[in-house]
Amino acid sequence: AAGVIQSPRHLIKEKRETATLKCYPIPRHDTVYWYQQGPGQDPQFLISFYEKMQSDKGSIPDRFSAQQFSDYHSELNMSSLELGDSALYFCASSLWGRETEAFFGQGTRLTVV
Amino acid sequence: LAKTTQPISMDSYEGQEVNITCSHNNIATNDYITWYQQFPSQGPRFIIQGYKTKVTNEVASLFIPADRKSSTLSLPRVSLSDTAVYYCLVGEGRGNNDMRFGAGTRLTVKP
Repeated sequence: AAGVIQSPRHLIKEKRETATLKCYPIPRHDTVYWYQQGPGQDPQFLISFYEKMQSDKGSIPDRFSAQQFSDYHSELNMSSLELGDSALYFCASSLWGRETEAFFGQGTRLTVV
Repeated sequence: LAKTTQPISMDSYEGQEVNITCSHNNIATNDYITWYQQFPSQGPRFIIQGYKTKVTNEVASLFIPADRKSSTLSLPRVSLSDTAVYYCLVGEGRGNNDMRFGAGTRLTVKP
């Protein structure tokens, strides 16, 4: 069965650079979530989208932005990267009305040096 | 204010039954209770969801008392591969997505 696809799997950037993470949800899933997870920490909710509109916003820094496209894939754009942005970034998808049954991708490991 | 409270960690041995309790005193009428499992460097994985009484699937059971202010995830006969962090979430879904993770329970299964 198709799962949530995230790319790239690993990314190394320097401070002050920008990064773009991509997420391709499970087919027919219309809701996408983004999470940040630092070492030894719990996943922190960043932002979510439903039908290309932002549906919920969590602790996403102003330096980050995200959007969902017409094919339902989503991108997380991160600018002015800081060392503290180094983390695993997870994307999840679900069906509208069944948001609590979300399926997560393998994650993108971002390292800022 | 945290929506859920779980023990930080638990230890068990292979073959034992493990029960992880989650407190959610302020659960709303329309909220469901959902549990996720997370292995290191992997995304969380949906385990089970319930609204009231008892739910069972091939992986776990979920017990919810009548007042719904707590819930218990029960893992029968755990193995080493059940070592993971377990998260309890409460939320309505149904268009009111609330997928925020609190502090999970780190379960360590020993041989």
